[in-house]
Amino acid sequence: AQSVTQLDSHVSVSEGTPVLLRCNYSSSYSPSLFWYVQHPNKGLQLLLKYTSAATLVKGINGFEAEFKKSETSFHLTKPSAHMSDAAEYFCVVSVFTSGNQFYFGTGTSLTVIP
Amino acid sequence: DSGVTQTPKHLITATGQRVTLRCSPRSGDLSVYWYQQSLDQGLQFLIQYYNGEERAKGNILERFSAQQFPDLHSELNLSSLELGDSALYFCASSSSWTGSYGYTFGSGTRLTVV
Repeated sequence: AQSVTQLDSHVSVSEGTPVLLRCNYSSSYSPSLFWYVQHPNKGLQLLLKYTSAATLVKGINGFEAEFKKSETSFHLTKPSAHMSDAAEYFCVVSVFTSGNQFYFGTGTSLTVIP
Repeated sequence: DSGVTQTPKHLITATGQRVTLRCSPRSGDLSVYWYQQSLDQGLQFLIQYYNGEERAKGNILERFSAQQFPDLHSELNLSSLELGDSALYFCASSSSWTGSYGYTFGSGTRLTVV
């Protein structure tokens, strides 16, 4: 079975400070892992993806994530938060069995304080 | 603009009615996925089509159905609507049926059942 746990439903950081959004996953197969961002009243935008290549993945807007198989984690980080980073972030596990399915975490709402 | 087009953007309808949501995938993408995003359930995978054929089924109610047409656009039909069907419905597309490189999401259709 596949599942995704986002450990924090809300995270608040000050502008210019580091961001850490935590994600743990469980998968019976070798998964692909993604982070998506959703701004208010917008669709989901792909931030970055891990597909069994380099374990440290760099994405758009300065975000990166590290795949740690031993910890079954895929935490999202950014060195310095910007006001425009305020949004909902989703960690996603993708497995391919008889078809492809994405399993979404419940989301982490990021607030950036000026 | 992600390249995935969903219409309409907003829909308000009464209980018991039937509606059709439309999705045009990004040019060249053969896979279309439907997701439901509600406050209490988060993002739920409904169904996937690849090149006109159903590939995977998630938590899709029997009152809901979908199809993908020869021109690759897809429609999600929701019937006998209930208040609990109020949600944001997303369509996503990918170039492969494995989806391992991620999806491109549309902006969603916000359905309100009154």
